[in-house]
Amino acid sequence: AQTVTQSQPEMSVQEAETVTLSCTYDTSESNYYLFWYKQPPSRQMILVIRQEAYKQQNATENRFSVNFQKAAKSFSLKISDSQLGDTAMYFCAFMKRTNRDDKIIFGKGTRLHILP
Amino acid sequence: DVKVTQSSRYLVKRTGEKVFLECVQDMDHENMFWYRQDPGLGLRLIYFSYDVKMKEKGDIPEGYSVSREKKERFSLILESASTNQTSMYLCASGGGATFTDTQYFGPGTRLTVL
Repeated sequence: AQTVTQSQPEMSVQEAETVTLSCTYDTSESNYYLFWYKQPPSRQMILVIRQEAYKQQNATENRFSVNFQKAAKSFSLKISDSQLGDTAMYFCAFMKRTNRDDKIIFGKGTRLHILP
Repeated sequence: DVKVTQSSRYLVKRTGEKVFLECVQDMDHENMFWYRQDPGLGLRLIYFSYDVKMKEKGDIPEGYSVSREKKERFSLILESASTNQTSMYLCASGGGATFTDTQYFGPGTRLTVL
Protein backbone atom coordinates (compact mmCIF):
# COMPACT_ATOMS: atom_id res chain seq x y z
CA ALA A 1 0.00 0.00 0.00
CA GLN A 2 1.15 3.50 -0.74
CA THR A 3 2.28 5.67 2.17
CA VAL A 4 3.50 9.25 2.45
CA THR A 5 5.71 10.27 5.36
CA GLN A 6 6.57 13.78 6.44
CA SER A 7 9.11 13.37 9.21
CA GLN A 8 9.11 16.98 10.42
CA PRO A 9 5.88 17.84 12.27
CA GLU A 10 6.99 21.43 12.87
CA MET A 11 9.83 23.74 11.79
CA SER A 12 10.85 27.33 12.36
CA VAL A 13 13.26 29.43 10.32
CA GLN A 14 14.20 33.07 10.12
CA GLU A 15 12.85 35.21 7.32
CA ALA A 16 15.07 35.18 4.19
CA GLU A 17 16.60 31.81 5.07
CA THR A 18 16.27 28.70 2.96
CA VAL A 19 14.30 25.78 4.37
CA THR A 20 13.79 22.22 3.17
CA LEU A 21 10.75 20.13 4.03
CA SER A 22 11.14 16.39 3.66
CA CYS A 23 8.72 13.87 2.20
CA THR A 24 9.25 10.20 1.52
CA TYR A 25 6.77 7.82 0.02
CA ASP A 26 6.40 4.15 -0.63
CA THR A 27 4.93 2.71 -3.80
CA SER A 28 5.49 -0.06 -6.30
CA GLU A 29 4.08 2.05 -9.11
CA SER A 30 6.24 3.60 -11.79
CA ASN A 31 3.88 6.31 -13.01
CA TYR A 32 2.40 8.72 -10.48
CA TYR A 33 2.30 12.36 -9.47
CA LEU A 34 3.58 14.13 -6.41
CA PHE A 35 2.36 17.42 -5.03
CA TRP A 36 3.09 19.94 -2.33
CA TYR A 37 0.07 21.84 -1.02
CA LYS A 38 0.14 24.80 1.35
CA GLN A 39 -2.53 25.66 3.92
CA PRO A 40 -1.98 29.13 5.43
CA PRO A 41 -3.59 29.82 8.81
CA SER A 42 -7.38 30.11 8.41
CA ARG A 43 -7.07 30.13 4.63
CA GLN A 44 -7.72 27.70 1.83
CA MET A 45 -5.31 25.00 0.74
CA ILE A 46 -3.48 25.85 -2.47
CA LEU A 47 -1.08 24.02 -4.75
CA VAL A 48 2.59 24.91 -4.38
CA ILE A 49 4.21 22.61 -6.89
CA ARG A 50 3.69 19.33 -8.71
CA GLN A 51 6.05 16.71 -10.12
CA GLU A 52 5.40 13.99 -12.67
CA ALA A 53 7.27 10.83 -11.71
CA TYR A 54 8.38 10.05 -15.25
CA LYS A 55 10.13 13.42 -15.53
CA GLN A 56 13.65 13.47 -14.17
CA GLN A 57 13.87 17.24 -14.11
CA ASN A 58 12.97 18.74 -10.77
CA ALA A 59 9.96 21.07 -10.79
CA THR A 60 10.47 24.72 -9.92
CA GLU A 61 7.99 27.47 -9.17
CA ASN A 62 9.62 30.80 -8.34
CA ARG A 63 11.15 30.43 -4.84
CA PHE A 64 9.85 26.88 -4.50
CA SER A 65 11.69 23.89 -5.90
CA VAL A 66 11.70 20.17 -5.30
CA ASN A 67 14.42 17.58 -5.06
CA PHE A 68 12.83 14.48 -6.56
CA GLN A 69 14.80 11.28 -6.05
CA LYS A 70 12.69 8.54 -7.62
CA ALA A 71 14.91 5.63 -6.66
CA ALA A 72 15.05 6.81 -3.07
CA LYS A 73 11.32 7.69 -3.13
CA SER A 74 12.04 11.12 -1.78
CA PHE A 75 10.32 14.39 -2.70
CA SER A 76 11.58 17.30 -0.63
CA LEU A 77 10.45 20.92 -0.97
CA LYS A 78 12.96 23.76 -0.81
CA ILE A 79 11.79 27.28 -0.09
CA SER A 80 14.40 29.91 -0.87
CA ASP A 81 14.43 33.43 0.57
CA SER A 82 11.57 32.52 2.90
CA GLN A 83 8.92 35.16 3.58
CA LEU A 84 6.47 35.70 6.42
CA GLY A 85 3.66 34.71 4.05
CA ASP A 86 5.20 31.25 3.73
CA THR A 87 4.03 30.47 7.26
CA ALA A 88 1.60 27.60 6.73
CA MET A 89 0.96 23.91 7.02
CA TYR A 90 2.56 22.06 4.11
CA PHE A 91 1.26 18.73 2.85
CA CYS A 92 2.99 16.31 0.53
CA ALA A 93 0.66 14.19 -1.59
CA PHE A 94 0.89 11.14 -3.85
CA MET A 95 -1.73 10.61 -6.55
CA LYS A 96 -2.33 8.18 -9.33
CA ARG A 97 -5.28 6.95 -11.30
CA THR A 98 -4.92 4.05 -13.70
CA ASN A 99 -7.44 1.38 -14.67
CA ARG A 100 -9.75 2.42 -11.88
CA ASP A 101 -6.98 1.89 -9.32
CA ASP A 102 -7.15 5.27 -7.68
CA LYS A 103 -4.84 6.52 -4.98
CA ILE A 104 -4.79 9.86 -3.24
CA ILE A 105 -2.53 9.85 -0.19
CA PHE A 106 -1.59 12.96 1.80
CA GLY A 107 1.14 13.12 4.41
CA LYS A 108 0.42 14.31 7.93
CA GLY A 109 1.83 17.74 7.25
CA THR A 110 4.67 19.98 8.37
CA ARG A 111 3.82 23.19 10.18
CA LEU A 112 6.29 25.84 9.06
CA HIS A 113 6.83 29.08 10.96
CA ILE A 114 8.75 31.91 9.32
CA LEU A 115 10.11 34.18 12.04
CA PRO A 116 10.66 37.93 11.53
CA ASP B 1 -10.41 32.33 -10.48
CA VAL B 2 -11.64 28.90 -9.55
CA LYS B 3 -14.04 29.03 -6.69
CA VAL B 4 -15.01 26.17 -4.40
CA THR B 5 -17.51 27.09 -1.73
CA GLN B 6 -18.77 25.13 1.23
CA SER B 7 -22.14 25.79 2.80
CA SER B 8 -20.93 26.41 6.35
CA ARG B 9 -17.62 27.36 7.99
CA TYR B 10 -18.73 26.10 11.41
CA LEU B 11 -21.42 23.59 12.31
CA VAL B 12 -22.49 22.13 15.64
CA LYS B 13 -24.71 19.05 15.64
CA ARG B 14 -25.92 16.52 18.16
CA THR B 15 -25.15 12.81 18.17
CA GLY B 16 -27.57 10.93 15.95
CA GLU B 17 -28.52 13.88 13.77
CA LYS B 18 -28.37 13.65 9.98
CA VAL B 19 -25.86 16.17 8.67
CA PHE B 20 -25.48 17.57 5.18
CA LEU B 21 -22.29 19.30 4.05
CA GLU B 22 -22.60 21.01 0.69
CA CYS B 23 -19.88 21.92 -1.77
CA VAL B 24 -20.22 23.90 -4.99
CA GLN B 25 -17.58 24.56 -7.66
CA ASP B 26 -17.79 26.95 -10.58
CA MET B 27 -15.16 25.54 -12.96
CA ASP B 28 -17.03 22.68 -14.60
CA HIS B 29 -14.63 20.15 -13.09
CA GLU B 30 -15.40 16.48 -13.55
CA ASN B 31 -13.86 15.38 -10.26
CA MET B 32 -14.94 16.43 -6.80
CA PHE B 33 -13.55 15.19 -3.50
CA TRP B 34 -14.37 15.13 0.20
CA TYR B 35 -11.58 14.92 2.77
CA ARG B 36 -11.44 15.13 6.51
CA GLN B 37 -8.51 16.82 8.20
CA ASP B 38 -7.49 15.92 11.73
CA PRO B 39 -4.43 17.14 13.67
CA GLY B 40 -1.58 14.68 13.34
CA LEU B 41 -3.39 12.67 10.67
CA GLY B 42 -3.26 15.03 7.70
CA LEU B 43 -5.95 14.76 5.03
CA ARG B 44 -7.80 11.54 4.44
CA LEU B 45 -10.03 10.92 1.44
CA ILE B 46 -13.62 10.02 2.30
CA TYR B 47 -15.28 9.86 -1.12
CA PHE B 48 -14.80 11.29 -4.55
CA SER B 49 -16.92 11.60 -7.66
CA TYR B 50 -15.71 11.64 -11.25
CA ASP B 51 -19.05 12.43 -12.84
CA VAL B 52 -22.66 13.21 -12.04
CA LYS B 53 -24.27 10.39 -10.06
CA MET B 54 -20.92 8.58 -9.89
CA LYS B 55 -19.00 8.02 -6.67
CA GLU B 56 -15.99 6.12 -5.45
CA LYS B 57 -15.01 5.27 -1.90
CA GLY B 58 -11.86 6.74 -0.51
CA ASP B 59 -9.88 5.46 2.45
CA ILE B 60 -12.41 6.20 5.22
CA PRO B 61 -15.98 6.01 3.81
CA GLU B 62 -17.55 4.33 6.86
CA GLY B 63 -20.29 6.45 8.39
CA TYR B 64 -20.54 8.73 5.35
CA SER B 65 -22.40 8.84 2.07
CA VAL B 66 -22.33 11.30 -0.82
CA SER B 67 -24.61 12.68 -3.47
CA ARG B 68 -23.84 14.30 -6.82
CA GLU B 69 -27.00 15.16 -8.66
CA LYS B 70 -25.49 18.10 -10.56
CA LYS B 71 -21.97 18.53 -11.87
CA GLU B 72 -21.20 21.59 -9.78
CA ARG B 73 -22.51 20.26 -6.46
CA PHE B 74 -21.17 17.46 -4.25
CA SER B 75 -22.75 16.73 -0.89
CA LEU B 76 -21.36 14.78 2.03
CA ILE B 77 -23.94 13.15 4.29
CA LEU B 78 -23.48 11.89 7.81
CA GLU B 79 -26.50 9.62 8.26
CA SER B 80 -26.23 9.53 12.05
CA ALA B 81 -23.54 11.84 13.36
CA SER B 82 -21.21 10.54 16.04
CA THR B 83 -18.66 12.33 18.21
CA ASN B 84 -15.76 10.70 16.36
CA GLN B 85 -16.88 12.56 13.24
CA THR B 86 -15.95 15.87 14.83
CA SER B 87 -13.40 17.20 12.36
CA MET B 88 -12.57 19.71 9.65
CA TYR B 89 -14.11 18.70 6.32
CA LEU B 90 -12.52 19.91 3.10
CA CYS B 91 -14.10 19.76 -0.32
CA ALA B 92 -12.00 19.97 -3.50
CA SER B 93 -12.55 19.87 -7.24
CA GLY B 94 -10.26 19.35 -10.21
CA GLY B 95 -7.45 16.86 -10.52
CA GLY B 96 -8.05 16.03 -14.16
CA ALA B 97 -8.87 12.63 -15.61
CA THR B 98 -5.81 10.98 -14.09
CA PHE B 99 -5.39 13.04 -10.91
CA THR B 100 -2.45 14.83 -12.46
CA ASP B 101 -3.89 18.31 -12.29
CA THR B 102 -4.37 20.77 -9.47
CA GLN B 103 -7.11 20.22 -6.95
CA TYR B 104 -8.87 23.40 -5.77
CA PHE B 105 -9.99 23.38 -2.18
CA GLY B 106 -12.86 25.04 -0.39
CA PRO B 107 -12.44 26.90 2.91
CA GLY B 108 -13.50 23.91 4.99
CA THR B 109 -16.34 23.18 7.40
CA ARG B 110 -15.42 22.65 11.03
CA LEU B 111 -18.00 20.20 12.35
CA THR B 112 -18.48 19.58 16.04
CA VAL B 113 -20.71 16.69 17.11
CA LEU B 114 -21.84 16.89 20.73
